[in-house]
Amino acid sequence: GAVVSQHPSRVICKSGTSVKIECRSLDFQATTMFWYRQFPKQSLMLMATSNEGSKATYEQGVEKDKFLINHASLTLSTLTVTSAHPEDSSFYICSAVWAAGNHEQFFGPGTRLTVL
Amino acid sequence: DAKTTQPPSMDCAEGRAANLPCNHSTISGNEYVYWYRQIHSQGPQYIIHGLKNNETNEMASLIITEDRKSSTLILPHATLRDTAVYYCIVRVNYGGSQGNLIFGKGTKLSVKP
Repeated sequence: GAVVSQHPSRVICKSGTSVKIECRSLDFQATTMFWYRQFPKQSLMLMATSNEGSKATYEQGVEKDKFLINHASLTLSTLTVTSAHPEDSSFYICSAVWAAGNHEQFFGPGTRLTVL
Repeated sequence: DAKTTQPPSMDCAEGRAANLPCNHSTISGNEYVYWYRQIHSQGPQYIIHGLKNNETNEMASLIITEDRKSSTLILPHATLRDTAVYYCIVRVNYGGSQGNLIFGKGTKLSVKP
């Protein structure tokens, strides 16, 4: 149980385009999901906290107008990278909190974004 | 949340026990010790967590010192598939929007044949 999926697993796009990444909790409901970003050979950095039915909370230095987060249901959060640039190329990982269980976080497999 | 210190890398022979240390000298009384690992190009995987007592599950054992200032994750019989970066994280077990995890640099464990 407690599986989190992400789609797509990898995406290549041109500079200036927008990319949407989906994060789904497959067998549990998650009122809270987190979005992380990981650059090569670095650790995960929290970008934002996504709460179902309300606005996301962004970490300092993360542009909310560039990284749009929508958490429309208890099993789905989306991250849209708008007007992507090469410096946005990174590994994006989401996690979902199993609120009805033991509050553990379960992570998705990640999405590799490459902006040309 | 308290900060943790881990060695940057460790090697372990296949089939032997891997003991990964973590220092968390500023841990508070209500903070748990969590261990996650990240295999290359995958999302982190939960391993185990504990508060005071030693814990064991099908993946690993967690040994926490009596003063709770350090802990050791033990993989009893390491396999090549255990090669990964292991993260030790301490945090209050909030859940919800206060439950985000702060990742340090972790320990890169290399299991060798």
